[in-house]
Amino acid sequence: ETGVTQSPTHLIKTRGQQVTLRCSSQSGHNTVSWYQQALGQGPQFIFQYYREEENGRGNFPPRFSGLQFPNYSSELNVNALELDDSALYLCASSLSGGPPSGANVLTFGAGSRLTVL
Amino acid sequence: AQSVAQPEDQVNVAEGNPLTVKCTYSVSGNPYLFWYVQYPNRGLQFLLKYITGDNLVKGSYGFEAEFNKSQTSFHLKKPSALVSDSALYFCAVSWYSSASKIIFGSGTRLSIRP
Repeated sequence: ETGVTQSPTHLIKTRGQQVTLRCSSQSGHNTVSWYQQALGQGPQFIFQYYREEENGRGNFPPRFSGLQFPNYSSELNVNALELDDSALYLCASSLSGGPPSGANVLTFGAGSRLTVL
Repeated sequence: AQSVAQPEDQVNVAEGNPLTVKCTYSVSGNPYLFWYVQYPNRGLQFLLKYITGDNLVKGSYGFEAEFNKSQTSFHLKKPSALVSDSALYFCAVSWYSSASKIIFGSGTRLSIRP
């Protein structure tokens, strides 16, 4: 089975620009979560998508938005980039038999490292 | 508020010795507890979880963790450390009504010296 793949692996943007990060779920998984991991910190939950709809959101402003596609892949979009958005963005997929629960095990991708100058 | 704490930024252990990485949590209701490991330039990998049942949970690579409700702890342990266990370890907590939100600790860097 294929794991979670993310692209791009590295990118550099300037303040005010917009960025789109992409994620392909592990085969058979139907739920995608996005996390932001700043340097030296643990991952912070951004949001989760299930059945192409947002199914929970952390404390991130609306300029962080996402999509899930019918093949369960996902995008994370960040508008009006700020310096503090510099981080490793992790995508994680899981299999939910019904509405996703906190008990599901996450399979993570290697991440997209975003640098905002 | 729901939270998880890893009180040690770094743990140093000699190869062959037992290791413990500490984790405490604060959750209203019954917690779901996890340990993940992160190697350099890699995503997080699942090690083990506690949902319900036996308080001692066994996971990948010989790791185990014990759920202690009275102390609200979920410490990660291994009887004999390997140099290859050196990595960044994250404790995480969730709960039934969390709408799938999982809170991660700040991480503990485990260093095993030969």
